[in-house]
Amino acid sequence: AQSVAQPEDQVNVAEGNPLTVKCTYSVSGNPYLFWYVQYPNRGLQFLLKYITGDNLVKGSYGFEAEFNKSQTSFHLKKPSALVSDSALYFCAVRDDSGGYQKVTFGIGTKLQVIP
Amino acid sequence: SQTIHQWPATLVQPVGSPLSLECTVEGTSNPNLYWYRQAAGRGLQLLFYSVGIGQISSEVPQNLSASRPQDRQFILSSKKLLLSDSGFYLCAWMGGQETQYFGPGTRLLVL
Repeated sequence: AQSVAQPEDQVNVAEGNPLTVKCTYSVSGNPYLFWYVQYPNRGLQFLLKYITGDNLVKGSYGFEAEFNKSQTSFHLKKPSALVSDSALYFCAVRDDSGGYQKVTFGIGTKLQVIP
Repeated sequence: SQTIHQWPATLVQPVGSPLSLECTVEGTSNPNLYWYRQAAGRGLQLLFYSVGIGQISSEVPQNLSASRPQDRQFILSSKKLLLSDSGFYLCAWMGGQETQYFGPGTRLLVL
């Protein structure tokens, strides 16, 4: 089965500093990778995805992610963090190992941006 | 554009009572639909998956069931709730390139 790992339970960053939220993946075949964000008591929102092409993917709200095949990583980044970026971030991977289309999510990383 | 609705937003139910959560999607036809449960505000557990009317697949055995009586309607049910059924329930549909779009969620507290 396909899987993703988010090694950090929480990431703290000062407002205005660059942020990175880490994700590594394990897949057979070509990976379809995603990042989602969840604000308190809300559903998940799609941020960006990597299917093929450029290793640097740009998404919503100024976020981007870098696909690194040799390191099997797909880290989420933003050049300058905002307090409003504080939320729960999920990395995800397409998983068709069960014979149907589904997405497997990581356990989430809580991002805290400190004013 | 497509939108996804869930209701109720919040529900407090006693142990042993029945449950019915509803999810509807607008702006698309024959979507793949999913029910997830999120416990303790962290990871998502896939509960059910549906590719069409009356077609339900269960990911894990549990106290819950799902039905899809109409193309864009997905219902999560239970005959008797357990304390462990408490959580945040999310419905999602799958768009192009396996991108999932989520509803606002239902917060269920079983007392």
